[in-house]
Amino acid sequence: EPEVTQTPSHQVTQMGQEVILRCVPISNHLYFYWYRQILGQKVEFLVSFYNNEISEKSEIFDDQFSVERPDGSNFTLKIRSTKLEDSAMYFCAGSLVSGNQPQHFGDGTRLSIL
Amino acid sequence: RKEVEQDPGPFNVPEGATVAFNCTYSNSASQSFFWYRQDCRKEPKLLMSVYSSGNEDGRFTAQLNRASQYISLLIRDSKLSDSATYLCVVNIYNQGGKLIFGQGTELSVKP
Repeated sequence: EPEVTQTPSHQVTQMGQEVILRCVPISNHLYFYWYRQILGQKVEFLVSFYNNEISEKSEIFDDQFSVERPDGSNFTLKIRSTKLEDSAMYFCAGSLVSGNQPQHFGDGTRLSIL
Repeated sequence: RKEVEQDPGPFNVPEGATVAFNCTYSNSASQSFFWYRQDCRKEPKLLMSVYSSGNEDGRFTAQLNRASQYISLLIRDSKLSDSATYLCVVNIYNQGGKLIFGQGTELSVKP
């Protein structure tokens, strides 16, 4: 079964540093998403991306965050200047179409900000 | 009011038991509904989509009541491997495919 793969599995970074989280979605998926889950809390939507544009973003996704799909396969989430509260699991997801189709999640990157 | 609200749990049941999870959602523009399961510190994995007519997949049955904005999941003959957190998930129409997750209900199946 095709998988969504994320790297790295764990990233430890000093506060204020930039981080890039990488995802390789399933090849025939067209819609891409990032979610995060702070330890002990629910999964929260960050951003959706289609046709090289952001479709929707949440309040969490402020100017410190950006996404891109630079080469047609990788889908990245960049945090420019990390804060302690950015520590969380970050999940990439994809779907064939938005809306009715379920989304398939990668196994996540654990981001720890020191 | 929370957008998606689930039974707080945890549910501790013996093997073979039947267990039911309830979920309510607040946004009437919700268009798609899912149950995901999440094992400790792992990614959410799709268990099943939920359709208006109700649907069944083996030991799992999902129901949707749009009028009451209520979703349920029934697990029959529970197995040790069913132990996980069950996430009620809703997609809102015309919001870029955004999924809204409930807090999850933890299930622990004991021998």
